[in-house]
Amino acid sequence: KAGVTQTPRYLIKTRGQQVTLSCSPISGHRSVSWYQQTPGQGLQFLFEYFSETQRNKGNFPGRFSGRQFSNSRSEMNVSTLELGDSALYLCAGADGGSFADTQYFGPGTRLTVL
Amino acid sequence: ILNVEQSPQSLHVQEGDSTNFTCSFPSSNFYALHWYRWETAKSPEALFVMTLNGDEKKKGRISATLNTKEGYSYLYIKGSQPEDSATYLCVERTGANNLFFGTGTRLTVIP
Repeated sequence: KAGVTQTPRYLIKTRGQQVTLSCSPISGHRSVSWYQQTPGQGLQFLFEYFSETQRNKGNFPGRFSGRQFSNSRSEMNVSTLELGDSALYLCAGADGGSFADTQYFGPGTRLTVL
Repeated sequence: ILNVEQSPQSLHVQEGDSTNFTCSFPSSNFYALHWYRWETAKSPEALFVMTLNGDEKKKGRISATLNTKEGYSYLYIKGSQPEDSATYLCVERTGANNLFFGTGTRLTVIP
């Protein structure tokens, strides 16, 4: 099975721009979660999608949004980028049938906001 | 306990030594506890998921235990090797599907 893929792997944007990141989970996995990792804050949960519906949401401003497609691929969008949005964005896929499912992480997208 | 806490934050051990670290979590509305191993420049790798009080899981030289009544989990590494060097992260999922992350224990195994 192919692993979790994330594109792009690296991205440089300027303040005020918007960005879209993509995540494709392992085939058959229905849940995709997004996380932000910054040196100061550690790993923080953004949101989780299951069967095209947002099932859970972390404590992030509305500039962060996401969606999931029927093939389970998910996109995350950040509008009006701020310097503090510079981070590693990880997505993780899971079967999704249980909250205890193992999550399989992608390699991440490193976003730099200048 | 209001948050997931991991201790120690970091530790250095000699190759061959056994070690263990702790994850403490709020025990109300507990659903599952996950342990991940996160090497620098790589993605987190799932080690264990435990749901029942008294659960014990083992994977090679690594094992974990769970006590949901008192809200803690231990991760043990027997005979540490340099390739065990990584950050070990625990994550609690509650019955309300909330996720609480520990800050990780950074392990360095010295050859």
